[in-house]
Amino acid sequence: DIQMTQSPSSLSASVGDRVTITCRASQTISSYLNWYQLKPGKVPMLLIYAASSLQRGVPSRFSGSGSGTDFTLTISSLQPEDFATYYCQQSYSPPHTFGQGTKVEIK
Amino acid sequence: EVQLVESGGDVVRPGGSLRLSCAASGFTFEDYGMSWVRQAPGKGLEYVSGINWNGGSTDYADFVEGRFTISRDNAKNSLYLQMNSLRADDTALYHCVKRAYYDRSGSAFDFWGQGTLVTVSS
Repeated sequence: DIQMTQSPSSLSASVGDRVTITCRASQTISSYLNWYQLKPGKVPMLLIYAASSLQRGVPSRFSGSGSGTDFTLTISSLQPEDFATYYCQQSYSPPHTFGQGTKVEIK
Repeated sequence: EVQLVESGGDVVRPGGSLRLSCAASGFTFEDYGMSWVRQAPGKGLEYVSGINWNGGSTDYADFVEGRFTISRDNAKNSLYLQMNSLRADDTALYHCVKRAYYDRSGSAFDFWGQGTLVTVSS
């Protein structure tokens, strides 16, 4: 299975901050990388697919980049509703494994 | 409106079996691949298994080790997960998810069910 490693595991940030989360694959996955947001008591929400394509309805402050093995999710100006846990997932080769998650907390 | 409604979760003893079901509506079920993803208490998302549109191709996470079987019935718009030889570390909320294909190979999970809780305990 392809292993996905996110960093950091958690971070503290303030409203308005720029936040960057990284995800590294154990082998090249081209651009087959998705990002999800998970809030307590809710189901995960797809934010970004194909490394950099914004899912319909997702605010433009979210962006993704990268290809090969290294990827980033950026929130340009953190909003109160963005405090959540974020997961990357590869869809290059089944099983479509997830990273361990990055929890974004309020500073 | 896309709806995915899971059922079948229960408390079961180690070594026991369960069959999870997912009733799908609001989209043409037979056109899409589907998957199961779980979240153990206090843990992250974990991919369990996937199946293509007609059931001809399936895949499983390593930890399944031949214990689970994914299947679907397109006539009933339903997805299933047969779980055998259950272990304590299989305790989790199991989500049924719909795959969206954005090119020939790439896919993402665009709709998730609320999940059904499986508890494995003696």
